[in-house]
Amino acid sequence: GEDVEQSLFLSVREGDSSVINCTYTDSSSTYLYWYKQEPGAGLQLLTYIFSNMDMKQDQRLTVLLNKKDKHLSLRIADTQTGDSAIYFCAEFSGGYQKVTFGTGTKLQVIP
Amino acid sequence: GAVVSQHPSRVICKSGTSVKIECRSLDFQATTMFWYRQFPKQSLMLMATSNEGSKATYEQGVEKDKFLINHASLTLSTLTVTSAHPEDSSFYICSASRRQGGWGYTFGSGTRLTVV
Repeated sequence: GEDVEQSLFLSVREGDSSVINCTYTDSSSTYLYWYKQEPGAGLQLLTYIFSNMDMKQDQRLTVLLNKKDKHLSLRIADTQTGDSAIYFCAEFSGGYQKVTFGTGTKLQVIP
Repeated sequence: GAVVSQHPSRVICKSGTSVKIECRSLDFQATTMFWYRQFPKQSLMLMATSNEGSKATYEQGVEKDKFLINHASLTLSTLTVTSAHPEDSSFYICSASRRQGGWGYTFGSGTRLTVV
């Protein structure tokens, strides 16, 4: 089976950087994603990284992947109040041909 | 591009009735669609994977006779919750993939089902 774990809650001050962490277990993962979910809404894909990459930067977002430790992180620079949401990491398992989501991390941005 | 429309966004039904939720890919053909369920304050849980023209693959513990999935065309998949009970109340989300390979999943906006 495959498990994806995240810490449940993160609180940061506006303007600081946020780092959301994720660990996964499936070594055959080929793609790893970060999604954002605002209250009552569906998931919004923020970014993704291929498993053969170590880092990907997209404006304020930086994704780091440590494949050896099966650890994925999302760094949000200059965090804004609009970034308050639940963030899910997800892996695509080539072996099982499906996407598995983490438990979600609730990000609270304090003005 | 890559828009998935899910309908209805909210539905309230009486216990014992059936509810159909539609998931449409508006500007691409979706070879594979996924149905998820989200309980309050929990992550999404995959219910089933449907491929166009074939039977859906259900995850362990999901009753296939209760949650009927039809993927009759490359742009439409439906989830029917049959004989709904209050414990079926949940947030259901579909997602669609352009192709196998893990890239380009697009999610619907979700359906809030309340069974009274």
